[in-house]
Amino acid sequence: GAVVSQHPSRVICKSGTSVKIECRSLDFQATTMFWYRQFPKQSLMLMATSNEGSKATYEQGVEKDKFLINHASLTLSTLTVTSAHPEDSSFYICSASFPGINEQYFGPGTRLTVT
Amino acid sequence: QKEVEQNSGPLSVPEGAIASLNCTYSDRGSQSFFWYRQYSGKSPELIMSIYSNGDKEDGRFTAQLNKASQYVSLLIRDSQPSDSATYLCAVCLSGGYNKLIFGAGTRLAVHP
Repeated sequence: GAVVSQHPSRVICKSGTSVKIECRSLDFQATTMFWYRQFPKQSLMLMATSNEGSKATYEQGVEKDKFLINHASLTLSTLTVTSAHPEDSSFYICSASFPGINEQYFGPGTRLTVT
Repeated sequence: QKEVEQNSGPLSVPEGAIASLNCTYSDRGSQSFFWYRQYSGKSPELIMSIYSNGDKEDGRFTAQLNKASQYVSLLIRDSQPSDSATYLCAVCLSGGYNKLIFGAGTRLAVHP
């Protein structure tokens, strides 16, 4: 399967600060990347779909001004959690898919803790 | 609201037995279906994809799809303690969105 990396794997930040998470597809060019959030003992919830060179498409209920997504190249998408609050503490996971293929390969995830 | 339903479990099976995991979905137009395995604290790992009615086998795993019944299942033969994880069923929405909707997952526990 494809290799997707995320950085950082863990981050602790203070309330009110912003955090940037990077997602890279290492061995293929991903025209589409996806950002998910997973709270403890819950399933993955899609936050947004990120297409290279265009604006991200956000799911209902996800604030686009709070969760900034940039997909500047075919191998890199970033998620910035702005003005983070404790309720934003979660496991953030990105995925990428081959062009024209529905299979998604997940990065290892980033555990965000906001104090 | 498109939905994917799974029994949350836990499903407990003895080592060497067959584990059977089930999933139903509401989007009748869906054509692509996936099973992911997620260990505690880790991200999901793709283990099977299935697109046509019937069975698809890969090693100890068999995925089964019945689009008329909107039902997908995963069989794990010769279950091992290392198979203990949460198994997520994912359905790709119809309409060209390429988005996956995940079930809540079934926790499988394989005991020696």
